[in-house]
Amino acid sequence: GAVVSQHPSRVICKSGTSVKIECRSLDFQATTMFWYRQFPKQSLMLMATSNEGSKATYEQGVEKDKFLINHASLTLSTLTVTSAHPEDSSFYICSARGLAATDTQYFGPGTRLTVL
Amino acid sequence: GENVEQHPSTLSVQEGDSAVIKCTYSDSASNYFPWYKQELGKRPQLIIDIRSNVGEKKDQRIAVTLNKTAKHFSLHITETQPEDSAVYFCAASILGGNEKLTFGTGTRLTIIP
Repeated sequence: GAVVSQHPSRVICKSGTSVKIECRSLDFQATTMFWYRQFPKQSLMLMATSNEGSKATYEQGVEKDKFLINHASLTLSTLTVTSAHPEDSSFYICSARGLAATDTQYFGPGTRLTVL
Repeated sequence: GENVEQHPSTLSVQEGDSAVIKCTYSDSASNYFPWYKQELGKRPQLIIDIRSNVGEKKDQRIAVTLNKTAKHFSLHITETQPEDSAVYFCAASILGGNEKLTFGTGTRLTIIP
């Protein structure tokens, strides 16, 4: 099956710093990637939809200036959490869809962010 | 937008018995309904999915049923095993549309040996 990787898997940072998370589709091209956030014992909440070569579409309530998304190629999307605060601590998961509109989404392994 | 409700939030089942998890959705345009299994700290794993042109799909011990009229779909796991213990999420989306997955709130399934 299709493989999606994320890096790093775990990151601890100080409050006020920025953290970049990478999402890569390893064996397929993805025009669309999605970024989710999952707090402990809760469901996955979509943050934004990332389309290659265009601006990301953010969900209501998600600050686009705080969560910067770049989808520069068909295999890589990045999420940068700027000026991170403890309330940003969460499990961030990306997913990627292949080129066909009917393709299934495949999830990355997630990144555990802890902001001290 | 789409709203997906999932019940129950927790479910304990004796090993070997069946487990059923139910979801309802609000947007009649949704046409794709996947189910994911998530173990603690891991990524969601797709276990089965169904598209709106069929009413039922089965894969070994797992089956999903869809009632488009009532806008609900269910996951059925038969002959449960301890390794089935996990959190299960249903989701809905519009393939060929915005394709956003809207997730249910999750069901923590515990299989009692």
